[in-house]
Amino acid sequence: QKEVEQNSGPLSVPEGAIASLNCTYSDRGSQSFFWYRQYSGKSPELIMSIYSNGDKEDGRFTAQLNKASQYVSLLIRDSQPSDSATYLCAARSSNTGKLIFGQGTTLQVKP
Amino acid sequence: ETGVTQTPRHLVMGMTNKKSLKCEQHLGHNAMYWYKQSAKKPLELMFVYSLEERVENNSVPSRFSPECPNSSHLFLHLHTLQPEDSALYLCASSQMADTQYFGPGTRLTVL
Repeated sequence: QKEVEQNSGPLSVPEGAIASLNCTYSDRGSQSFFWYRQYSGKSPELIMSIYSNGDKEDGRFTAQLNKASQYVSLLIRDSQPSDSATYLCAARSSNTGKLIFGQGTTLQVKP
Repeated sequence: ETGVTQTPRHLVMGMTNKKSLKCEQHLGHNAMYWYKQSAKKPLELMFVYSLEERVENNSVPSRFSPECPNSSHLFLHLHTLQPEDSALYLCASSQMADTQYFGPGTRLTVL
């Protein structure tokens, strides 16, 4: 079982729709979770971090965490073509403190 | 300059060459990281330096040799690489185990 698992996609949504990106993790002791966005040929940039169960909103982005289900998601409202990128989910290992990354989900927002 | 910078941005080298990648962070952080990103694979942590001491070496082949002369600079020395070492090499920094911020990366091609 992969430590952090994401569907590689591509996930295709029309402009203006809500994009929902999902991530599961295997380390039940993980307490910190991160979403990074990576445009093609560029480096990852942090979008959001989340540490507590529930929702965390920042502009058009909402991160959701459910520790009981070991599930993290990222919702992007009013998706724009400029949101087209690969979204990386990361969980901090409770043993080593290292960030464990998923392989990323590619999002395509079509005009 | 701000953030995390990396040089060179692109590097092509033969299997017998010796080269070095450089990373510099301007964020006042005390931890720095080297990651490898290959196509279709999750980010792989290679090395971690905290307070200028190496605290992580993820079973990386000895043809990769890191150096951290101070808290702002990190190098990755490369020698006798293999074609499968071709990848995007990313540097990141953080304050202790807090959020990591990535540099733009070096795209390495080994012929």
